[in-house]
Amino acid sequence: DAMVIQNPRYQVTQFGKPVTLSCSQTLNHNVMYWYQQKSSQAPKLLFHYYDKDFNNEADTPDNFQSRRPNTSFCFLDIRSPGLGDAAMYLCATSRGGTGDNEQFFGPGTRLTVL
Amino acid sequence: DAKTTQPPSMDCAEGRAANLPCNHSTISGNEYVYWYRQIHSQGPQYIIHGLKNNETNEMASLIITEDRKSSTLILPHATLRDTAVYYCIVRTRSGGYNKLIFGAGTRLAVHP
Repeated sequence: DAMVIQNPRYQVTQFGKPVTLSCSQTLNHNVMYWYQQKSSQAPKLLFHYYDKDFNNEADTPDNFQSRRPNTSFCFLDIRSPGLGDAAMYLCATSRGGTGDNEQFFGPGTRLTVL
Repeated sequence: DAKTTQPPSMDCAEGRAANLPCNHSTISGNEYVYWYRQIHSQGPQYIIHGLKNNETNEMASLIITEDRKSSTLILPHATLRDTAVYYCIVRTRSGGYNKLIFGAGTRLAVHP
């Protein structure tokens, strides 16, 4: 089945130690998104790629970066994780364009910062 | 900011219809209404969307008022597995891209 895959499902890192989260998709969608979801809160969009075009949300901290080496993969890099970055990180994809394109979400990676 | 308001929580008996309301009074003419749900510790799952007309699929029905300022998601026969947070989202277009801005959602509890 076509899907959005996130690895790992659970990640533990130390305060200040860089960490990378991975997302891959078999849907061949143009757009890939990264959301942050803290405990008991709604998902919050960090940034997205439309093909190779990167689009950062205005309030996304500089500590968060992303890479998309090809259509299928997208990475979230947290350069110096703080305790406040502990959250679920969700990857999503959609077709591009102006149509009624739904987003497909992966299962998420839960990040713990010690 | 999210352009929708929803009740924070609702209860529903198993087998009954669950009717989840959503207000989106500032919606623009070309903005879609989307519904997603999130079961505990999983990624959000798409349910249904609409622009002006009522919509139905295998999961739910979406009723949009004529003035488009509010909508209702209907789960016709709720089961225990429908217990989740339901998000009503007005999909906005910003800088040439479509965005989903999640609000707080409604926590639906389906009980036996």
